[in-house]
Amino acid sequence: AIQMTQSPSSLSASVGDRVTITCRASQGIRNDLAWYQQKPGKAPKLLIFAASSLQSGVPSRFSGSGSGTDFTLTISSLQSEDFATYYCLQDSNYPLTFGGGTKVEIK
Amino acid sequence: QVQLVESGGGVVQPGRSLRLSCAASGFTFSNDAMHWVRQAPGKGLEWVGVISFDGSHNYYGDSVKGRFAISRDTSRNTLYLEMNSLRPEDTAIYYCAREFRSFDSWGQGTLVTVSS
Repeated sequence: AIQMTQSPSSLSASVGDRVTITCRASQGIRNDLAWYQQKPGKAPKLLIFAASSLQSGVPSRFSGSGSGTDFTLTISSLQSEDFATYYCLQDSNYPLTFGGGTKVEIK
Repeated sequence: QVQLVESGGGVVQPGRSLRLSCAASGFTFSNDAMHWVRQAPGKGLEWVGVISFDGSHNYYGDSVKGRFAISRDTSRNTLYLEMNSLRPEDTAIYYCAREFRSFDSWGQGTLVTVSS
């Protein structure tokens, strides 16, 4: 199975900060990577698909980049509603695999 | 709009079986592959498995392979997860999700607790 290594596992940031989260795949997955946001007690929400495509309705401060094995989710200016846990998912090969998650907390 | 509603969760003893359901509405159910994803308490997301749009193919995660089975009933617009030989480590919230541009729609989840 493809392993997805996500970092950092947690971070503290302030409103307005630029935040970057990375995922590394144990083998090449082209651009078959998605990013999800999850708030406590809620289902995950799709932010980015195909590594860099913004899901409809998601604010443009979220962006994704990368291809092959290295991927990045960037929040250009962190807002209060962005404090949550973020996961990457490789949907290239079965079994699909998630990264371990990044908890974004208020500094 | 797309709506997915899971049901069937509860407390079950180790070794027993349980069937979860996911009622779909707001889209053409027979057009899309469907997935199950779970989340143990306080832990991350784990992919459980998928069924193809027409029900002809399934794939499963290693931790559930041979014990869990996914099926679908197009006439009822319902997805199922049959879970057998349950273990305490299967305790989790189980989500169904539609495959469109990755997983664009998720249910609210149903909690399964495996405990004696």
